[in-house]
Amino acid sequence: QVQLVQSGAEVKKPGASVKVSCKVSGFSLTEVFIHWVRQAPGKGPEWMGGFDPADGETIYAQTFQGRVTMTEDTSTDTAYIEVSSLRSEDTAVYYCTNADSWAHVYYFDAWGQGTLVTVSP
Amino acid sequence: DILMTQSPSSLSASVGDRVTITCRASQGIGNSLNWYQQKPGQAPKLLIYVVANLQNDVPSRFSGGGSGTEFTLTISSLQPEDFATYYCQQSHSLPRTFGQGTRLEIK
Repeated sequence: QVQLVQSGAEVKKPGASVKVSCKVSGFSLTEVFIHWVRQAPGKGPEWMGGFDPADGETIYAQTFQGRVTMTEDTSTDTAYIEVSSLRSEDTAVYYCTNADSWAHVYYFDAWGQGTLVTVSP
Repeated sequence: DILMTQSPSSLSASVGDRVTITCRASQGIGNSLNWYQQKPGQAPKLLIYVVANLQNDVPSRFSGGGSGTEFTLTISSLQPEDFATYYCQQSHSLPRTFGQGTRLEIK
């Protein structure tokens, strides 16, 4: 069973960047497909992007293109998401999640505990 | 983007009741539909994948159905631990999108 443990809460000023980590255990990072989902206060989850095994590359939601970078360090089995040019609307809990599939349909079966990112002047 | 619309947005029910939540997609998504449960302060938890398949350790009182554009999540007999918010999510196309959620409250 994949287990995901994320880094702690962050407070950032508008215009700054934040980098959140997600440590994978139970499997090697090369055996899983990490995606990122965020959830603003009182809102539903919003998919940001992740590794697409069909293409062999990281895919991003259009909303975040150019402002979000997802990376992986296989030596430490840790995935990262960096969000730049932060604005107040980026205040949210950021989750890493594992994408598994059945009959070619992907679903998110394991989740990190979430990292609260607060953007405030 | 595919818009996922859940109804109702909130629902009050009692322990033992049977409840059904509906999720409609703005275009056909075949069977690419998953359901999650979320409790306050916790991450979403996968309940059902690919319309009707129960994730490991999910009680059999949960069931899913539908195809194309309309899907349902049914809880046959509500238990106290089922009071939470439920989200549907499509994996038919990018970007992956979630419904706005259905909050299930105790009557």
